[in-house]
Amino acid sequence: GESVGLHLPTLSVQEGDNSIINCAYSNSASDYFIWYKQESGKGPQFIIDIRSNMDKRQGQRVTVLLNKTVKHLSLQIAATQPGDSAVYFCAENPPQGAQKLVFGQGTRLTINP
Amino acid sequence: SQTIHQWPATLVQPVGSPLSLECTVEGTSNPNLYWYRQAAGRGLQLLFYSVGIGQISSEVPQNLSASRPQDRQFILSSKKLLLSDSGFYLCAWGVNSPLHFGNGTRLTVT
Repeated sequence: GESVGLHLPTLSVQEGDNSIINCAYSNSASDYFIWYKQESGKGPQFIIDIRSNMDKRQGQRVTVLLNKTVKHLSLQIAATQPGDSAVYFCAENPPQGAQKLVFGQGTRLTINP
Repeated sequence: SQTIHQWPATLVQPVGSPLSLECTVEGTSNPNLYWYRQAAGRGLQLLFYSVGIGQISSEVPQNLSASRPQDRQFILSSKKLLLSDSGFYLCAWGVNSPLHFGNGTRLTVT
């Protein structure tokens, strides 16, 4: 079946350093990918998205890279801050209609002062 | 701007009791609406989605049901809760965009 997974369940980085969170997806027909940030006790918050016709998209301090050849997605966070500590989820949108996103397990990012 | 509201934020219910969780969206019309469940330390599992009033699709067999009595209202229900129904329930909406989530209801069945 379809699945989206993350290579590393936890990641610790020093404040100010850059971080990279990776994600593998299994459905080569997925055409839309999203990264979410979830803080404790809250719902996931949209960070950045990318469509399958692109391989890179940049936001404020965040960059998403998409490698369709190996079905890999990554989220880069530049100059990390304490507020970046959270669980990060990738999600893919298989071509089933109705935006039925498939989520990965999540990576817990901890920013050390 | 669009907002999504879920309530209650936390709920403790005994096994066998009924459940009703409500979700409402403001600032948009005819959104797709979703119920997800998140087990502790895990990703999100899609339970139900709706593309319109009265239209409900179930993704996994379970003890729960969903209803959409109004365009921007989505309700998650159960007649008799099981221990395995404990979890973090998230409502989301989307219209040709990333899904936007509410802050969830943490349900503990005792």
